[in-house]
Amino acid sequence: EAGVAQSPRYKIIEKRQSVAFWCNPISGHATLYWYQQILGQGPKLLIQFQNNGVVDDSQLPKDRFSAERLKGVDSTLKIQPAKLEDSAVYLCASSLSISTDTQYFGPGTRLTVL
Amino acid sequence: LAKTTQPISMDSYEGQEVNITCSHNNIATNDYITWYQQFPSQGPRFIIQGYKTKVTNEVASLFIPADRKSSTLSLPRVSLSDTAVYYCLVGEGTGRRALTFGSGTRLQVQP
Repeated sequence: EAGVAQSPRYKIIEKRQSVAFWCNPISGHATLYWYQQILGQGPKLLIQFQNNGVVDDSQLPKDRFSAERLKGVDSTLKIQPAKLEDSAVYLCASSLSISTDTQYFGPGTRLTVL
Repeated sequence: LAKTTQPISMDSYEGQEVNITCSHNNIATNDYITWYQQFPSQGPRFIIQGYKTKVTNEVASLFIPADRKSSTLSLPRVSLSDTAVYYCLVGEGTGRRALTFGSGTRLQVQP
């Protein structure tokens, strides 16, 4: 069974630039999550989708971050403009249905903002 | 959301049993307890989930006392490859809210 795919794996940008991350969840998984993990900390949920609808985006900095999950499958997370404090690993995860189901994580995208 | 507290770090030796305890004093009636493991440069990986008493799988055991205000992840006979960060999460049972990760426990296994 293919796992959660993310791209790119690494990205280096300068502050005020834009960046986008892509995630392809496990086939058939209705729930998709984006997390931000700063070095030395646990993952922090940014947004949770159920199919193509947003369930929770309370911790998403909406002035600069946006995410979409068109057609309820793939998802993109965008940062515009980036700040130095956005340097982190961005993890995508999916689960079969509700959030108490096992979440399967992708390898993450390591973002460095200079 | 129920807050969790777990030790920042633990050290062990190969072959020993490791027990990591997590406190969750404000756990709600329909909350589940879930543990994840994370290796460097990888996303977290599900280990085990439980609601009460004891749960065991091929990787670990999870002990939950009757009051459910804490839980203990037990790793039998650890090896060097068990060196990782372990997260305890408490999640709302209906699934409407995602689980919240804390800072985790960094386990270092020595030869």
